[in-house]
Amino acid sequence: GAVVSQHPSRVICKSGTSVKIECRSLDFQATTMFWYRQFPKKSLMLMATSNEGSKATYEQGVEKDKFLINHASLTLSTLTVTSAHPEDSSFYLCSARPPGTAFPYSGNTIYFGEGSWLTVV
Amino acid sequence: GENVEQHPSTLSVQEGDSAVIKCTYSDSASNYFPWYKQELGKRPQLIIDIRSNVGEKKDQRIAVTLNKTAKHFSLHITETQPEDSAVYFCAASRIPTFGRGTSLIVHP
Repeated sequence: GAVVSQHPSRVICKSGTSVKIECRSLDFQATTMFWYRQFPKKSLMLMATSNEGSKATYEQGVEKDKFLINHASLTLSTLTVTSAHPEDSSFYLCSARPPGTAFPYSGNTIYFGEGSWLTVV
Repeated sequence: GENVEQHPSTLSVQEGDSAVIKCTYSDSASNYFPWYKQELGKRPQLIIDIRSNVGEKKDQRIAVTLNKTAKHFSLHITETQPEDSAVYFCAASRIPTFGRGTSLIVHP
């Protein structure tokens, strides 16, 4: 399957500071990436759809000024949590969908990065 | 938007038994239904998927069935093993909307 890499895997930051998480598609170009948030023992909540070269599409209830998404290239999307607070502590996941349907891609399948554990103290 | 319901939230079975997880969806336009397995602290991994033009797909011990009329689909795991223990998520639509997850526990 396709390879999506996320960095950092774990980060601890102080309340009030900002932290950036990177998501890279390593073996394909991704015009669209997705950012999810997951609380312990909970499901994956879609935060936003990241579109290369344009503004991200945020889900209802997600503060776009707090969770800044930049998709500056076809292989990189970043999520910046600004003015972080302890309630922002969570597991953040990105995912990407390879283009087309040519083997080994199926056209609709999305692949996840390793995830980033954010702890705000 | 799409709404996906998943049941049960927890499923406990003995090694060798079968496990079935069920999902329903709301958007009749959805045509892609993947299943992901997530181990604690790790990324979800695609284990099987099905498209709306087929009713069943099988891959070794794992199978998925789809009933488009009733808008529900199910994951079937046969001959369960302890390493199958994980959280399983169903999803629907191209921008996947995930179910709440099922914690599968396989007792040796």
